[in-house]
Amino acid sequence: DTEVTQTPKHLVMGMTNKKSLKCEQHMGHRAMYWYKQKAKKPPELMFVYSYEKLSINESVPSRFSPECPNSSLLNLHLHALQPEDSALYLCASSQDAGTDTQYFGPGTRLTVL
Amino acid sequence: GQQLNQSPQSMFIQEGEDVSMNCTSSSIFNTWLWYKQEPGEGPVLLIALYKAGELTSNGRLTAQFGITRKDSFLNISASIPSDVGIYFCAGQLLFTGTASKLTFGTGTRLQVTL
Repeated sequence: DTEVTQTPKHLVMGMTNKKSLKCEQHMGHRAMYWYKQKAKKPPELMFVYSYEKLSINESVPSRFSPECPNSSLLNLHLHALQPEDSALYLCASSQDAGTDTQYFGPGTRLTVL
Repeated sequence: GQQLNQSPQSMFIQEGEDVSMNCTSSSIFNTWLWYKQEPGEGPVLLIALYKAGELTSNGRLTAQFGITRKDSFLNISASIPSDVGIYFCAGQLLFTGTASKLTFGTGTRLQVTL
């Protein structure tokens, strides 16, 4: 089983709202990732968590706040977003954060009004 | 961020034809991956390559890890309508002892006509 689940599938929010994206995997993977993907572009890495600790932050604005409550869950808290933050947000996981293969979830389509 | 050079950008082919696409980089990677993405979905892993020169097949798909570690190709034989989608290559590099990064290609959009 290589399933990564993400909720919600779609999210519409105003610029003053606070919302959260959720990602879950039960494959025993110890590394989890957040990516942002704009239309017709490849995914761009935002954050990497390894063994529940933040390993990489790709200079993402502070209005995006990741959280890894345990080894199976990864959240992305959103606050005061801009319309240009509208995109597909993808979660991925891998056995560890070394050279192991990353498996992606279906994504959350975010629209900021 | 950095992107890999992937070509062709798009392909329109007839059902039954073979397809070939490739990725090149100025940097060396430890691992090459090929993903397929359909509209509104996340990328799905097709093939993973771990050694320079490695040639791996998955059904009608064949991919190779270039000997220089700076390139990879993906071939699809006898294409069918469900092959439609965007194909991304990705190079993986160990960043630290506990983290790695994927660098994606720009994508190849494949359309298959009957």
